Amino acid sequence: QSGLTQPPSASGSPGQSVTISCTGTSSDVGGYNYVSWYQQHPGKAPKLMIYEVTKRPSGVPDRFSGSKSGNTASLTVSGLQAEDEADYYCSSRGVSGNVMFGGGTKLTVL
Amino acid sequence: EVQLVESGGGLVQPGGSLRLSCAASGFDFNIHYMTWVRQAPGKGLEWVAKITPDGSAQFYVDSVKGRFTVSRDNAKKSLYLQMNNLRAEDTAVYYCAKEQWFRTDYWGQGTLVTVSS
Repeated sequence: QSGLTQPPSASGSPGQSVTISCTGTSSDVGGYNYVSWYQQHPGKAPKLMIYEVTKRPSGVPDRFSGSKSGNTASLTVSGLQAEDEADYYCSSRGVSGNVMFGGGTKLTVL
Repeated sequence: EVQLVESGGGLVQPGGSLRLSCAASGFDFNIHYMTWVRQAPGKGLEWVAKITPDGSAQFYVDSVKGRFTVSRDNAKKSLYLQMNNLRAEDTAVYYCAKEQWFRTDYWGQGTLVTVSS
């Protein structure tokens, strides 16, 4: 049950776009369209931002978008805003119905 | 409004036991998978366990198999995590979460478990 691989950090200036990657294997990210992305501010519980690779829950700005190619999923944040500064985690269904998370990416808005 | 409220965390010695509880409200508890996710201090999220809506099946991360047991009481709209033979590496904030098709769409605020002598 190895975790998914994310870059430890990412950054961008206000108004710019930034993309965070999430790399797994054909047994998780590549095998299912059950990739989710979560935003976590310090001291707070995570918040679901993207599910099933590309879908946004109600209330999540359309500046947040998801995609997948092969064993790598990506989260793109467009039009960066100060409040987007947070930790972001991907997750995927794994074998046997388990779930696995990525190690997390700290997004800094410069 | 969906609410998940965890309780039962605290300080426990290595080898000890602790039982976490999660009180759910605002949704049909008995038709949803429920999940425990933990986060060690300063670290990332780790999926720990989940249970089917009727409680008939449970799934665990390898590191807790044989030590942790997830259960639920649908009549009380409550989720539990019995943690035995605790280790220092189990120190974390434990989140209760509602799962739907492998995504956790609602989270509690978490309860801190500290394993230390």
